[in-house]
Amino acid sequence: DAGVTQSPTHLIKTRGQQVTLRCSPKSGHDTVSWYQQALGQGPQFIFQYYEEEERQRGNFPDRFSGHQFPNYSSELNVNALLLGDSALYLCASSYGLRELYEQYFGPGTRLTVT
Amino acid sequence: AQKVTQAQTEISVVEKEDVTLDCVYETRDTTYYLFWYKQPPSGELVFLIRRNSFDEQNEISGRYSWNFQKSTSSFNFTITASQVVDSAVYFCALSEASEIQGAQKLVFGQGTRLTINP
Repeated sequence: DAGVTQSPTHLIKTRGQQVTLRCSPKSGHDTVSWYQQALGQGPQFIFQYYEEEERQRGNFPDRFSGHQFPNYSSELNVNALLLGDSALYLCASSYGLRELYEQYFGPGTRLTVT
Repeated sequence: AQKVTQAQTEISVVEKEDVTLDCVYETRDTTYYLFWYKQPPSGELVFLIRRNSFDEQNEISGRYSWNFQKSTSSFNFTITASQVVDSAVYFCALSEASEIQGAQKLVFGQGTRLTINP
């Protein structure tokens, strides 16, 4: 039973560029949430997808956008990258929307913006 | 707004010592969930426990135990007879319900870096 997978593992981008990160949820899960974890900090909620719609959003600018596909996998897109976007991006999957059961996290994508 | 505070930034103990990680939370919700996650150097968050606000019974799982006290808004985590493999960053988190959709997201504390020295 595959857990949550994310790609790529590491990424280096230049300021101003755009990036797309990918996430496949754990088998049987239909809800995907994205978190940003800056160095030495706790993860911060970016947004959550369910039934291919963004259900709620954290305090992140519109440069951060996402998508969920019919197979429940998800993408996180960040436009006009800033140095401050350098972080570990974590994807988490769960089942359903109202009850937050065990939320499984992927290994993350470490993004470095230079 | 919900908030989770882990006042201990770093803790260092010698193997076999007991260690307690503190977590204090703030919420106006009457129904909420509390979590503990472990983050080893690999970066992946490992789920340890989930507790709902109506269940204040303490829980023990092997060398791990959790003390939930609603009166003090605390959800502390104790490792008994610590081992080097317990070295990691530990996060306490609180579920937050969306007012609109009833969806829930996690609000994390800043984390406590635990180092177990041999």
